[in-house]
Amino acid sequence: QQQVKQSPQSLIVQKGGISIINCAYENTAFDYFPWYQQFPGKGPALLIAIRPDVSEKKEGRFTISFNKSAKQFSLHIMDSQPGDSATYFCAASFYNTDKLIFGTGTRLQVFP
Amino acid sequence: DTAVSQTPKYLVTQMGNDKSIKCEQNLGHDTMYWYKQDSKKFLKIMFSYNNKELIINETVPNRFSPKSPDKAHLNLHINSLELGDSAVYFCASSQGSLAGRPNEQYFGPGTRLTVT
Repeated sequence: QQQVKQSPQSLIVQKGGISIINCAYENTAFDYFPWYQQFPGKGPALLIAIRPDVSEKKEGRFTISFNKSAKQFSLHIMDSQPGDSATYFCAASFYNTDKLIFGTGTRLQVFP
Repeated sequence: DTAVSQTPKYLVTQMGNDKSIKCEQNLGHDTMYWYKQDSKKFLKIMFSYNNKELIINETVPNRFSPKSPDKAHLNLHINSLELGDSAVYFCASSQGSLAGRPNEQYFGPGTRLTVT
């Protein structure tokens, strides 16, 4: 009930392509869904987040799509760049608690 | 200015030793966390403190003891280190969901602990 399943484990995309990472959750009480980006040797950094009252949120080249009925959400990176190469984590939490449940991570490699 | 800082960045020690990792945040946040990231990159919360009070205490061996001297600092002390404790430990902070805000957590650079 507290799990967040993330796929794929790794992703290779050419420069300019679209990267798509998917997550699914079980607990319908989750109401905050952030994505974190982690570069090698660094800590995770908040990239973009969404709440279930909207189906999509866009910030620059990064978009979260949210499907409440399917209990799924995904990160789309448009015009992927080599600088986007990193590990991406989805997460979920209850809005009024401090505990984030992280997905297992997706290693994205963008080749020029 | 570093928002969330940790020391040391690398820690190599032998089994059975006791070690501490320090964390400081200058964001004015009320809540701080410790996470463990294993070799497969899986991130798992260990503890959280809100204004020096323990809020989250996950299933962690009691060899791990967090201490928060004030709301800007959260240290992690580990007794009798074991091989399985080798991991990267991240400190994080947030304004805290109790403040009615989204749980935006800011992570430190991590401490890579290697137990030999």
